[in-house]
Amino acid sequence: DGGITQSPKYLFRKEGQNVTLSCEQNLNHDAMYWYRQDPGQGLRLIYYSQIVNDFQKGDIAEGYSVSREKKESFPLTVTSAQKNPTAFYLCASILGQGYTGELFFGEGSRLTVL
Amino acid sequence: QKEVEQNSGPLSVPEGAIASLNCTYSDRGSQSFFWYRQYSGKSPELIMFIYSNGDKEDGRFTAQLNKASQYVSLLIRDSQPSDSATYLCAVKAGTALIFGKGTTLSVSS
Repeated sequence: DGGITQSPKYLFRKEGQNVTLSCEQNLNHDAMYWYRQDPGQGLRLIYYSQIVNDFQKGDIAEGYSVSREKKESFPLTVTSAQKNPTAFYLCASILGQGYTGELFFGEGSRLTVL
Repeated sequence: QKEVEQNSGPLSVPEGAIASLNCTYSDRGSQSFFWYRQYSGKSPELIMFIYSNGDKEDGRFTAQLNKASQYVSLLIRDSQPSDSATYLCAVKAGTALIFGKGTTLSVSS
């Protein structure tokens, strides 16, 4: 089955540690996105990538980093510079930038800082 | 800053009633509009999209778009307890979707 796989589903981190969230898709989609969701805050865009080896900052990129070395993969690193990293992180992808623009989501990764 | 506004709710309706969810957006150039449903602890799933002014119907769901008023709505007919969720309005702005904060719908049996 095609889809987006995020791992881990749950992650606990001590303050000052970097962590990397994995996102892999086998949909052959071009563009991939990372969103952060806090309670009552909706989804906020962290980073996105439209093609391999290229990515752009979203609205809340500070304290995060990404890479796009392969079309299928778009990992997100939450660095120690991120002041309040506890949140639900969602990876998504779109086939292209065409008419529908429908985002497909992974199941999410819930990060808790202890 | 491009914005999408939704009433956070909760919106409470009895089973079988019509639920009406509303959304306004700030970017007049927006072309594509989406409604996602999100159950607690789960990822969002697309239920409707609309591009043209007017109504679009899909089963119990109807999306309505008024670009002049920068307003998009979602009607859910014959609401069921399984419709209880948070509904996210999203607007395509350039290469990304901008999401509202969501409206929580509660359908009581």
